[in-house]
Amino acid sequence: DTGVSQDPRHKITKRGQNVTFRCDPISEHNRLYWYRQTLGQGPEFLTYFQNEAQLEKSRLLSDRFSAERPKGSFSTLEIQRTEQGDSAMYLCASSLGGNLRGEQYFGPGTRLTVT
Amino acid sequence: AQKVTQAQTEISVVEKEDVTLDCVYETRDTTYYLFWYKQPPSGELVFLIRRNSFDEQNEISGRYSWNFQKSTSSFNFTITASQVVDSAVYFCALSAQDSGYALNFGKGTSLLVTP
Repeated sequence: DTGVSQDPRHKITKRGQNVTFRCDPISEHNRLYWYRQTLGQGPEFLTYFQNEAQLEKSRLLSDRFSAERPKGSFSTLEIQRTEQGDSAMYLCASSLGGNLRGEQYFGPGTRLTVT
Repeated sequence: AQKVTQAQTEISVVEKEDVTLDCVYETRDTTYYLFWYKQPPSGELVFLIRRNSFDEQNEISGRYSWNFQKSTSSFNFTITASQVVDSAVYFCALSAQDSGYALNFGKGTSLLVTP
């Protein structure tokens, strides 16, 4: 399977705990995006990477959210001190580098439930 | 600033009917890109089409067709002879340079096709 993969698919955590999600993009894609989708809404952009460089992070929802892509391959999204409002689907997408306008391919998402 | 509006929240049709999903957008960029994605009940976003702002030619792909009109800032999507498998949430999205080419999604239109 050469699509975008995300792990875990589901995460249930208690309020106040930290969680980390992983995204593995399509292998030749060097752009990687994170989005959040809440019920009944379209995905909301959070951040993106070009290779290992995080080029936009002002849209991260708070300073509790951080993302990394240390070697320009997989990426992680961490949420510290989770709150019930963080419950959502977290989506990762990748696109082909050098083509800024290219279509993004999405992974299956990680559904987070904060109790 | 960018905005994508999908005024139709839910549409229900009977199989074999034609259906059009509306999308209206706002952007100050002169170069931008428009997309449609499908999100079936399984949840994974599926890329359908990308359109460049400088190419207003309409496109047809099987039962799907898209009508792009810059004069009305619209990018509508028509499914001809709908099928039950078309049941999904459909998202229109816009990307442009001022957002780092991240996708800005509408709220989606939920399409239900009944036998």
